[in-house]
Order: sequence, then C-alpha cells, then structure tokens
Amino acid sequence: AQKVTQAQTEISVVEKEDVTLDCVYETRDTTYYLFWYKQPPSGELVFLIRRNSFDEQNEISGRYSWNFQKSTSSFNFTITASQVVDSAVYFCALSEVNTGNQFYFGTGTSLTVIP
Amino acid sequence: DGGITQSPKYLFRKEGQNVTLSCEQNLNHDAMYWYRQDPGQGLRLIYYSQIVNDFQKGDIAEGYSVSREKKESFPLTVTSAQKNPTAFYLCASSIDRDRGLTGANVLTFGAGSRLTVL
Repeated sequence: AQKVTQAQTEISVVEKEDVTLDCVYETRDTTYYLFWYKQPPSGELVFLIRRNSFDEQNEISGRYSWNFQKSTSSFNFTITASQVVDSAVYFCALSEVNTGNQFYFGTGTSLTVIP
Repeated sequence: DGGITQSPKYLFRKEGQNVTLSCEQNLNHDAMYWYRQDPGQGLRLIYYSQIVNDFQKGDIAEGYSVSREKKESFPLTVTSAQKNPTAFYLCASSIDRDRGLTGANVLTFGAGSRLTVL
C-alpha cells in the first residue's frame, strides 16, 4: 500500500493565483516526520519543510504555508500568489522512526505556473 | 560550498554493459542513499548506507550494486542484470549521527544522473 499519496498528478495555475498541493499519508507509528521537497527542472530536490508528528502547528514561510492535520492524515502545502519560479515537481515524504532511514515519497505533483 | 556531486549528468549505455554512477559528498554526512526516479512513480530507494563498509538494500536493489569504502563516496553500479535501467538516478545524504532519531534526518540531494540504455 502506498504510504504517501499525492492524488494531484499535474496542476496548472495562472500567476498570482493560490494553489494547494495535497498530501495524505499512512502510518501506524506514533512518531514520524513529514517533509516537502521541491524538484525544479534542474533535477535536484530541494528541502522545503520537515514536521514531526507531535507538532500540528501550521507553518508559514513567506508565500508558502503548510497545514498538518493528524485527524485526516494530511500534510497539505499552499503557495500563495504563485510565481513562474514556483513551477516544479513537489514531493511529499514520510519517515517513520521505527523503520530507520526509510523515506517514503509520494509520486509528486507537477505544478505549472502560467505567466 | 558543501554539497553532493553526481557524475556523469548524462550517460548512455548499450544493453549488456555495466555502468557506474559516482556520488561524492563533502557534508560529513554519515548516511548516503541512492534513489531511482521514473515518470509518475516518485522516488524509489535502491540502496542506502549508514556507515562506511556497510549498506542495506532498498525496495528495488535487484540489478544494482554499491560500495561504501569511504565516508564521502557511495558509487552505484547498474549491472546488465537490471532489466529496465533507463531512469533518473538521485544520490542523497543525511547526518544520521543519532540512530534513535533517524527519522528526523533531512535528505540533501545531488543534481542527479540520467541514464539511457540504447
């Protein structure tokens, strides 16, 4: 079974629109970590955020914000006022403490921001 | 600047040939990983290593081999036994100094190597 599901394969928005990327995860562990990575066309994945399972506070970093809800096993990512430079593939990932160094990645959401 | 260097960026191989992808890091990270990325399938773990001279198979290790003779280096060999080797390969590393908190590690990635079998 897929531990991390990113149901949105591709999304296109017009510049300055807000966009939310969905991430649903599955785990039986009580201690785990969730991540978002950005993969621009150059190919290198860039770390955006890490959240542990005990911290459900939403986080905002500039135009980026993350909504972590354990009740629905979701860790959604919102980009406000999108820009062309936001065009990339975004990956959500899960790491469980008990499985040691295993990172489970979703299949990614390809975001295109149209100028 | 610290980081991960993967080479070559593009590689073409004939069927039946082995090929080795290089991964070098100067971050002083303990753990290193190899992932394979195919369109629509996300990242799949091939091998990982937590310390020198030790490594473990990931989800799709068949047809691949690795070595970890130095902390900085974790080369991946794609052997002729790998039936569908055309893919984008990503190397990553993480600190992993505290085994009890391995899940907290942030992965740092290289720029990737794109392998095409002709």
